[in-house]
Amino acid sequence: GENVEQHPSTLSVQEGDSAVIKCTYSDSASNYFPWYKQELGKRPQLIIDIRSNVGEKKDQRIAVTLNKTAKHFSLHITETQPEDSAVYFCAASPNSYMDSNYQLIWGAGTKLIIKP
Amino acid sequence: DGGITQSPKYLFRKEGQNVTLSCEQNLNHDAMYWYRQDPGQGLRLIYYSQIVNDFQKGDIAEGYSVSREKKESFPLTVTSAQKNPTAFYLCASSHHRDSQDFFGQGTRLTVV
Repeated sequence: GENVEQHPSTLSVQEGDSAVIKCTYSDSASNYFPWYKQELGKRPQLIIDIRSNVGEKKDQRIAVTLNKTAKHFSLHITETQPEDSAVYFCAASPNSYMDSNYQLIWGAGTKLIIKP
Repeated sequence: DGGITQSPKYLFRKEGQNVTLSCEQNLNHDAMYWYRQDPGQGLRLIYYSQIVNDFQKGDIAEGYSVSREKKESFPLTVTSAQKNPTAFYLCASSHHRDSQDFFGQGTRLTVV
């Protein structure tokens, strides 16, 4: 089955610098890759997602890139701010929603620390 | 907010007792999910349901049970068979698989 690995587990960057979090997946059939941000004690919130027919997607300071050949996708946060401090999760969807056992497969999370 | 409501926010249970966590959504979503999150860990899927009266086991279903009698509701029962139930439980729903999950605010369960 699908396996998603996320690195690093903890990332500390200076405020204003960029942060990059990487995920790799194993199932080449995966076609949907969301990124979630979870602040301490709160629910995960979708921040950006990408589908397998697109290589890059940007939303202000956040971008996601997808390399289908290498089976990895990355989250890029530019001009980091203190409010970016949180745990970030990647996920991959290995099946079409029409399959009987589809589900999101989650990475283990990255704790992003923004140093003032 | 978000259209998916979990209750209660905090729950305390004595060892040996069953307890049921509520999850309700008004988003008209077909699919609903229960995840468990332990401190410093990612999300692990307990059960999921794609349609009323049908549900599937996730990765860590042992000691848990669910029902899906209504589209809007997907309650999770943590049974006494769950050896380490203290955790943060998140319910989510989605219209279909390749669309975002909407999460509830979570229930923090503590066994005392």
